[in-house]
Amino acid sequence: QAVVTQEPSLTVSPGGTVTLTCGSSTGAVTSGHYPYWFQQKPGQAPRTLIFDTSNKHSWTPARFSGSLLGGKAALTLSGAQPEDEAEYYCLLSYSGARVFGGGTKLTVL
Amino acid sequence: QVQLQESGPGLVKPSQTLSLTCTVSGDSISSGDYYWSWIRQPPGKGLEWIGYIHYSGSTYYNPSLKSRVTISVDTSKNQFSLKVSSVTAADTAVYYCARDGSFDLWGRGTLVTVSS
Repeated sequence: QAVVTQEPSLTVSPGGTVTLTCGSSTGAVTSGHYPYWFQQKPGQAPRTLIFDTSNKHSWTPARFSGSLLGGKAALTLSGAQPEDEAEYYCLLSYSGARVFGGGTKLTVL
Repeated sequence: QVQLQESGPGLVKPSQTLSLTCTVSGDSISSGDYYWSWIRQPPGKGLEWIGYIHYSGSTYYNPSLKSRVTISVDTSKNQFSLKVSSVTAADTAVYYCARDGSFDLWGRGTLVTVSS
């Protein structure tokens, strides 16, 4: 089974920009992996921010964007807010199977 | 609006079978070409995808769990269910159901503890 890798932790200053990445042990991440990004705060269910690489839900703040960058999926947060402090998970699809990354703990400080 | 709700025992003994149900309200589970997923999260750890089912009954499971997992659907009750057999303490987790595809809908999750 593929392994999906994320940065364990990142820190961003309020108002700053940060990029979280999502890599695959099988090689470059492509749109065919339909990358997803989820935000999870303590005690809450995950909330989907991005699906199919760059598509947003109606509730996704405009400051979040998804892309492919250097062979990985990427989630960019531009203009970080204190409420963006959370755990972020990516999910990749492999011909039907889904694999989560280990998560990135984002601190806004 | 469409909502998902997990239900089932919160405590299961080791070696027994864990059984959970996800009830879909606000729309028919058969409407739209959706798959319905189960995901779990051990306390303090990350998310793990367990598997999904289509309302037609077709399924796909996480290879690491495939030998112990069964996901089924009951369209008459608007529900889909999860069974995990031969559970151990490692199966202790919050279990979530979600609508696959865009993962736009999630249940709140239910904690299942495996303990004697």
